[in-house]
Amino acid sequence: QSALTQPASVSGSPGQSITISCTGTRSDVGGYNYVSWYQQHPGKAPKLMICEVSNRPSGVSNRFSGSKSGNTASLTISGLQAEDEADYYCSSYTSGSTLVFGTGTKVTVL
Amino acid sequence: QVQLVESGGGLVKPGGSLRLSCAASGFIFSDYYMSWIRQAPGKGLEWVSYISSSGSTIYYADSVKGRFTISRDNAKNSLYLQMNSLRAEDTAVYYCARIHSSGWSFDYWGQGTLVTVSS
Repeated sequence: QSALTQPASVSGSPGQSITISCTGTRSDVGGYNYVSWYQQHPGKAPKLMICEVSNRPSGVSNRFSGSKSGNTASLTISGLQAEDEADYYCSSYTSGSTLVFGTGTKVTVL
Repeated sequence: QVQLVESGGGLVKPGGSLRLSCAASGFIFSDYYMSWIRQAPGKGLEWVSYISSSGSTIYYADSVKGRFTISRDNAKNSLYLQMNSLRAEDTAVYYCARIHSSGWSFDYWGQGTLVTVSS
């Protein structure tokens, strides 16, 4: 049950696009279309932003999009805004019928 | 609206026990898988355990297997986590979360309850 690998930090200027990667194995990210992404502001509970690799729950801005290629999933935030500054985590279902989170990425809006 | 409210956190000595509760409302609790997720201070999210809607299927992270027990009472719309043999590394905010009906995502979260294991 090793954590999925994410970059520690990603930054961008307002209006730019950034992409956060989430790398696992064939036993998790690569084996299932059950990758989700969460946004967490300091002191708050996480919020679901993307489910099933690329689906946006109702109410989530269309500036957030998800994709997957092989064992790596990605979250793209387009038109970066100050309110997007937060920690982001991916998660995946695994072959052991468990769930695993990524290491987390701090997004900074310059 | 969906609400999840955790309770039961606090300070406990190493080797001690604690039982967390999560009161659910705003949805048909018995229709959903539920999960516990924790976050150590300044660290990332760690999945702890999940339980199926009927309670018949349960899985744990290796880090808590044999020490923690997840359960639910559908008549009381409540989820529980019994934590035994607590260690300093179990110190964290514990969140309960609803698992989306498809796709293994956590679509609603509680506000969390802090568990501190220290002598």
